[in-house]
Amino acid sequence: EPEVTQTPSHQVTQMGQEVILRCVPISNHLYFYWYRQILGQKVEFLVSFYNNEISEKSEIFDDQFSVERPDGSNFTLKIRSTKLEDSAMYFCASRPRDRGNYGYTFGSGTRLTVV
Amino acid sequence: DAKTTQPPSMDCAEGRAANLPCNHSTISGNEYVYWYRQIHSQGPQYIIHGLKNNETNEMASLIITEDRKSSTLILPHATLRDTAVYYCIAPNFGNEKLTFGTGTRLTIIP
Repeated sequence: EPEVTQTPSHQVTQMGQEVILRCVPISNHLYFYWYRQILGQKVEFLVSFYNNEISEKSEIFDDQFSVERPDGSNFTLKIRSTKLEDSAMYFCASRPRDRGNYGYTFGSGTRLTVV
Repeated sequence: DAKTTQPPSMDCAEGRAANLPCNHSTISGNEYVYWYRQIHSQGPQYIIHGLKNNETNEMASLIITEDRKSSTLILPHATLRDTAVYYCIAPNFGNEKLTFGTGTRLTIIP
């Protein structure tokens, strides 16, 4: 069964450093997403990406965050200057072209720890 | 998204059917009901979705009431690996995002 692959599985970084989280969505999917989950809290939407541009973003997704699809396969989330409160699980997801289909496939996540 | 209400937790004996309810009384005519689950800290996993007819796949069955104000996810023969948080979501057609609530923490008891 096709999978969404995320790397690394765990990232530890110092406050103020830049991090890049990487994702390889399912190859024929056209919509890509990042979500995060702070320990013990809900899964929160960050950003959606379609046709090489951001289609929607949440209030969490401020100027410190950016997304990119640098080639035909990777989808990245960059946090420019990490803060302690950025510590969370970050999940990438993708879904097929059918706009009404919300059957997302999520990756297994990257645990980001900011120290 | 339509507001959904789920019990915070449920237990079910291994081998029994687990029935997870969800209320979505404000759902509109073109909004589907989606179910996801999250096992420990893994990524959410899509289970099933439906509009108004009952649906079944290899993972579960979904029963939606005729007035569409509530639904029940059924895991027919629960195993220990079904212990997870289950989310009922009714995304607004045209929205890009899924909005996760707190879900139901299902514990399968040996």
